[in-house]
Amino acid sequence: KQEVTQIPAALSVPEGENLVLNCSFTDSAIYNLQWFRQDPGKGLTSLLLIQSSQREQTSGRLNASLDKSSGRSTLYIAASQPGDSATYLCAANSGAGSYQLTFGKGTKLSVIP
Amino acid sequence: KAGVTQTPRYLIKTRGQQVTLSCSPISGHRSVSWYQQTPGQGLQFLFEYFSETQRNKGNFPGRFSGRQFSNSRSEMNVSTLELGDSALYLCASSSGGDTDTQYFGPGTRLTVL
Repeated sequence: KQEVTQIPAALSVPEGENLVLNCSFTDSAIYNLQWFRQDPGKGLTSLLLIQSSQREQTSGRLNASLDKSSGRSTLYIAASQPGDSATYLCAANSGAGSYQLTFGKGTKLSVIP
Repeated sequence: KAGVTQTPRYLIKTRGQQVTLSCSPISGHRSVSWYQQTPGQGLQFLFEYFSETQRNKGNFPGRFSGRQFSNSRSEMNVSTLELGDSALYLCASSSGGDTDTQYFGPGTRLTVL
């Protein structure tokens, strides 16, 4: 059974700092790993999707890496802004022939102006 | 392109009642998944439908059921509501392949009194 862990549970940084969010998963047989952000009381916004054959993906100030052998993924946020404040969730897709995401509990990020 | 829509956005029910939630996927998407989000358990997979067939099911009691129509719209039903069913119910759609991004709707907030 896939288990996903995110550390830390909460993080507070001053505006402008670069930061890294961590995600680990127990079963390396994943199809892809997806990072989302969730604002309070809202749905999830997809940030980056990394296929199992890829090592990293970039979008603007965001860079996500994937190391299947060690069961780890990181989300790097450059030059953080107050608008980045949200909960960040990683999810591993282990479904064979279907789609089933296993989520971590998330990291709540606060960027202080 | 319109995003994933969910109706209703908020619901209040009492114990023992049943409830039906609706999800309209992004146009052209054939896969719809449902997730339950609670503060204690986080996001948990309920089930996934593809072309009107349930492809995968999470570890939830039989009170939770779903279906998908020929236009890919999906409904989930919860019978005999319990207090613990209070949660944010999220649906997500994708094209259906193992490597596709999942796009989430805003969710339905269900409160059981």
